[in-house]
Amino acid sequence: GESVGLHLPTLSVQEGDNSIINCAYSNSASDYFIWYKQESGKGPQFIIDIRSNMDKRQGQRVTVLLNKTVKHLSLQIAATQPGDSAVYFCAENIGNYQLIWGAGTKLIIKP
Amino acid sequence: DTAVSQTPKYLVTQMGNDKSIKCEQNLGHDTMYWYKQDSKKFLKIMFSYNNKELIINETVPNRFSPKSPDKAHLNLHINSLELGDSAVYFCASSQGTGKAYTFGSGTRLTVV
Repeated sequence: GESVGLHLPTLSVQEGDNSIINCAYSNSASDYFIWYKQESGKGPQFIIDIRSNMDKRQGQRVTVLLNKTVKHLSLQIAATQPGDSAVYFCAENIGNYQLIWGAGTKLIIKP
Repeated sequence: DTAVSQTPKYLVTQMGNDKSIKCEQNLGHDTMYWYKQDSKKFLKIMFSYNNKELIINETVPNRFSPKSPDKAHLNLHINSLELGDSAVYFCASSQGTGKAYTFGSGTRLTVV
């Protein structure tokens, strides 16, 4: 899970393996959650989202899981590729145009 | 046909100067944002405008002043720049609340 801290959490994964990035969110009233990918020198890019009335949503090679009981969100990336190297952020919508952002997880792909 | 474009991409300036960063979106979104990203990659909301009206104004020094001439533009003016202002500044837009943001590619500000 993420919290504001001094270090950027890092996850190293072998190319071809699956990656799981976790995020703990803070507000039980949050109704919408988003995962973003930020490559070096670029802005965050939308990957996938999920509303609170769902517990799983799949995209192309990515799956988001939502566990409202423990306020946990995860992003699964299947068959990780070198192009998946980036910092991944989770964000929760608390209403009033405000997103609460996680601190980010840096994903490193080992060849 | 860039969705959210901000200029300049890089800005190096001396302490005490005044500078502006411009942002434009062609997505037809009604809400725009300015974020600051520090060296630890933490994203901090600074301002948000909805249909040209300021709706989020976080604890930011009043040297920072946003201006939204229309709902497709949100500019950021910074007076009396300080070393601690060095960061990457991102503009973003969304279609209302509870929707994903689209980000610009960032402006790397370096104050020397």
